[in-house]
Formats: sequence, structure tokens, C-alpha cells
Amino acid sequence: QSVLTQPPSVSAAPGQKVTISCSGSNSNIGNNYVSWYQQLPGTAPKLLMYENNKRPSGIPDRFSGSKSGTSATLGITGLQTGDEADYYCVTWDSTLSAGVFGGGTKLTVL
Amino acid sequence: EVQLLESGGGLVQPGGSLRLSCAASGFTFRSYAMSWVRQAPGKGLEWVSAISGSGDTTYYADSVKGRFTISRDNSKNTLFLQMNNLRAEDTAVYYCAKVILRKPESSSFDYWGQGTLVIVSS
Repeated sequence: QSVLTQPPSVSAAPGQKVTISCSGSNSNIGNNYVSWYQQLPGTAPKLLMYENNKRPSGIPDRFSGSKSGTSATLGITGLQTGDEADYYCVTWDSTLSAGVFGGGTKLTVL
Repeated sequence: EVQLLESGGGLVQPGGSLRLSCAASGFTFRSYAMSWVRQAPGKGLEWVSAISGSGDTTYYADSVKGRFTISRDNSKNTLFLQMNNLRAEDTAVYYCAKVILRKPESSSFDYWGQGTLVIVSS
């Protein structure tokens, strides 16, 4: 059971928009920055978003991040088949003094 | 170019020990916190441990606390994870990751290694 809750799967058609939610508590999302990762099959995770809504260089602006209270959201517009992957949210938990990941969300581009 | 290269994985019996290494290059190693993240076969990512740039601050997941020890040798640009009393549930690919910020209390990892597989089985 993950500390952060993500939907197991989401799907949308090419060109459409999808959002992935990540729910936590005051000890983690509520008081710390959230990061998002994309993991393609058989590869290491790739940083998509850090400090809630900052994109590392090279990440297209089709990807966006937001945070409100104890929840965070990753948005992806203009979906492409290459976006099919697992997506994970992660943050620091101040009570646990540890990092905590969400369970991951599998994105299917129909 | 930043590179992280893990080594030391393999097959070990329950109760055994392994020491993972992560050789870093392409950045000022001592200036950045580092972390270990693992992924069991077919499962999600799990944060394992983090260490400050100087090595004087460390954190552990409850699942490994008291059994795993993270350390670093800044003179050799190398990160370590000493794993003792291994259990079947420790079977996973272990990734080392560079923290984008300088503090270990961060979830932002901008570079990852390719991972090293640890299998705990009799």
C-alpha cells in the first residue's frame, strides 16, 4: 500500500489530454514539493516535473504539473503513442523522514 | 555528460549480504545528495535511502532501516549501499539517482543509473 495514491491506469486517444492525480497528506504533499517521473518499459525512470510544476530542460511543454493542498496532478496534452508509459509521483514525507512514491499509473494511448 | 553506473548486484541467499556501488562522473559529486531507489519485478518504484553531499546526513525507508547502510566516497566519486540480512522481498532492480537539489530531503532525481538486479533466493 503506497503512501501516495494514484489511479492504476488512465487512457485517452492520440491528440487528447489526460490528467494523472496523486493524493497524499499534510506530512508529504501538503508540505513538500512533488516530482513526476515517466518510465518506459525496461528503462530507468525519467524526471518530468520537479518542485510541483518545473520542467527539466528537454521536457516539452505538453507536460504540466500542479499542486493543491494534499494533491498533485500531472497533465499531458497532445497525447502521442510514445507517451505510453508508467507515471509516478513522489515527494518527501516529513513524518517518515523518507521519500514516498505513488503506486504508479499506466497510461494507454488508444 | 552525467553518468551513473551501478554494480554489485547478483544472486544471494536469504540472510546474506551484498554491497552495491554507483560510480558517478560528469558532475561535482561531492556537491549533490544521492539516493537509491528500487523496483521489484513487475512492481512500482520504492524509495530506499538518501545521503547528503558530505555524507553526514542519511535517511532510510522503514523497510530497510537497520539492515541497509548508505555511504559515499567523495574522493572516488562513488556511492554505496551495504545490504545485510537480505530478504526475498528485497529482490529488485536497484537504481542510484542524483538529487537535482543539494539536500537529501528531496524527491527530484535528474539522473539515474541503468540499475543493478539483486535477487534474494535460496
